[in-house]
Amino acid sequence: QQQVKQSPQSLIVQKGGISIINCAYENTAFDYFPWYQQFPGKGPALLIAIRPDVSEKKEGRFTISFNKSAKQFSLHIMDSQPGDSATYFCAASINTGTYKYIFGTGTRLKVLA
Amino acid sequence: DAGVIQSPRHEVTEMGQEVTLRCKPISGHNSLFWYRQTMMRGLELLIYFNNNVPIDDSGMPEDRFSAKMPNASFSTLKIQPSEPRDSAVYFCASSLTPQTNTEAFFGQGTRLTVV
Repeated sequence: QQQVKQSPQSLIVQKGGISIINCAYENTAFDYFPWYQQFPGKGPALLIAIRPDVSEKKEGRFTISFNKSAKQFSLHIMDSQPGDSATYFCAASINTGTYKYIFGTGTRLKVLA
Repeated sequence: DAGVIQSPRHEVTEMGQEVTLRCKPISGHNSLFWYRQTMMRGLELLIYFNNNVPIDDSGMPEDRFSAKMPNASFSTLKIQPSEPRDSAVYFCASSLTPQTNTEAFFGQGTRLTVV
């Protein structure tokens, strides 16, 4: 119930292509779904986040699509660039007085120049 | 603000030794999280504190692991005795209360190697 399942484990995309990473969850009490980006040797950093009352959120080339009925959400990176090469983590959390973030296992993205 | 500060950045120790990892959260943040990252299991939540009080330590793997937060600006994660399977990158993160900001800010991590 507390797990967030993420796929694929790794992804290779050509420059200019679309990168798509998918996540699924079971616990319907989750109410906040962030995506984190991590570069080698660094800690994860928030990229974009969505709440379940909206189906899509876009920030620049990054879009989260959210399907509440299917309990799935995905990250789309449009016009992927070599600088986007990083590990991406989806996460989910519940407001229990504070937020406890449960992360997916991560997707290692490589964008070829 | 300098962000979440962790020390040391790298730690190599022998099996059986005690290891202490340190974290200074962002000033004003009242939630603090310790995560462990491995290739096999990704980012695992070990324990989190709210207002210096441990709220959920269900992710702590075993009694060899302990964490403290004596004040709002400092936390430690201790492993005693350490084992090779504890080798991982340990991250500390902090955040504000949900009413104001839910983003968790991560430190640079401590890469622990137990030989």
